[in-house]
Amino acid sequence: GAVVSQHPSWVICKSGTSVKIECRSLDFQATTMFWYRQFPKQSLMLMATSNEGSKATYEQGVEKDKFLINHASLTLSTLTVTSAHPEDSSFYICSQDRGEETQYFGPGTRLLVL
Amino acid sequence: GEDVEQSLFLSVREGDSSVINCTYTDSSSTYLYWYKQEPGAGLQLLTYIFSNMDMKQDQRLTVLLNKKDKHLSLRIADTQTGDSAIYFCAESITSASKIIFGSGTRLSIRP
Repeated sequence: GAVVSQHPSWVICKSGTSVKIECRSLDFQATTMFWYRQFPKQSLMLMATSNEGSKATYEQGVEKDKFLINHASLTLSTLTVTSAHPEDSSFYICSQDRGEETQYFGPGTRLLVL
Repeated sequence: GEDVEQSLFLSVREGDSSVINCTYTDSSSTYLYWYKQEPGAGLQLLTYIFSNMDMKQDQRLTVLLNKKDKHLSLRIADTQTGDSAIYFCAESITSASKIIFGSGTRLSIRP
């Protein structure tokens, strides 16, 4: 079964609103989680690395004030897209490092901004 | 810099073998992955290989690594319609570091 969940699985919102996406670990306390996004017909690109109890590390070109990441507990990281615009429409996926040979990916959240 | 390249499309006949190729640039990559993504779905890890290995086989899947040329391939034997998907090649330096993905290869199966 799934070990990393995301909520919601899809969301449609109006331009200018904020959307919060949760990435939850169901059975493991993860110190590090990663947030990726995938635009239509494109590959996945890392947005930021989320570390529990500290500020997230953002990739070049990703606005930290627009994409707020909170990793307040070892089982939950949230990504908030603030003042969303149509160009933010994308597939957002989190992954979790568990100290194993591979990371665990969530099922993804599809965001459509009208 | 970090870069992973793949061809965008591959079409094979059902029952034939599919070979998807990938090249990467980061010589410090230790983990090399193949992920599958079906339409509208998330990522499924198919297999991975360590950089100190040349080959890994798992049922219908065979991964070949040429570290000198930084070339990775995924062979799917006896390709079925259920194998239709986008296949992403990816690499990371450690299992805990960010994963760099290729652009994905869309595999289509013809009867």
